[in-house]
Amino acid sequence: EVQLVESGGGLAQPGGSLRLTCAASGFPFSDYWMTWVRQAPGKGLEWVANIKDDASEKHYVDPVKGRFSISRDNSKNSLYLQMNSLRAEDTAVYYCARGFGWIWDFWGHGTLVTVSS
Amino acid sequence: DIVMTQSPDSLAVSLGGRATINCKSSQSILSSSNNKNYLAWYQHKPGQPPNLLISWASTRESGVPDRFSGSGSGTDFTLTISSLQAEDVAVYYCQQYYGAPLTFGGGTKVEIK
Repeated sequence: EVQLVESGGGLAQPGGSLRLTCAASGFPFSDYWMTWVRQAPGKGLEWVANIKDDASEKHYVDPVKGRFSISRDNSKNSLYLQMNSLRAEDTAVYYCARGFGWIWDFWGHGTLVTVSS
Repeated sequence: DIVMTQSPDSLAVSLGGRATINCKSSQSILSSSNNKNYLAWYQHKPGQPPNLLISWASTRESGVPDRFSGSGSGTDFTLTISSLQAEDVAVYYCQQYYGAPLTFGGGTKVEIK
């Protein structure tokens, strides 16, 4: 059974940091692109970043460039999102998803990140 | 960046009725190399993760009921639910994967009239 389980969310202060983890199982993790997508309260979906199966290619949405870093450890079937210099507007549910190319065919249930003083 | 514009923002349809959602991209997302449209549709219900319905503008994913269909090419796309069921109440998003940054439409909320 395919599973993606996000963790690491919580409350952070503006300017602070958090590291999200997505634990994958039930499929050959190292064969897939992976992505982070977020949903701010009351808003729509926003793509954040993605990473190629071998980590040789990464892409970011402009508002997070220079602050967020996507990475993966294929030996641990894990995807990460290091979030630094957090802002109130980063408050959202963060989903990880696996990709057939850039078609996101399976999603985790998400982890809530709240940035507030 | 490619801007995706959905309409309407919301619609209410009777059970068994037809729901039509439109999605327009700010530039063509049709590849000349493979003649494919780089567009996906997702269904998002409250408290659940998004669910991929359609890729390549019109290819239904395995397990998706055939009342869901996608059409269009270039810059104009449509998701149609031919006979709305209670379980179809959700927000629907289009998303282009032609190039980074990947972008979603603003979403269309579908409700029962």
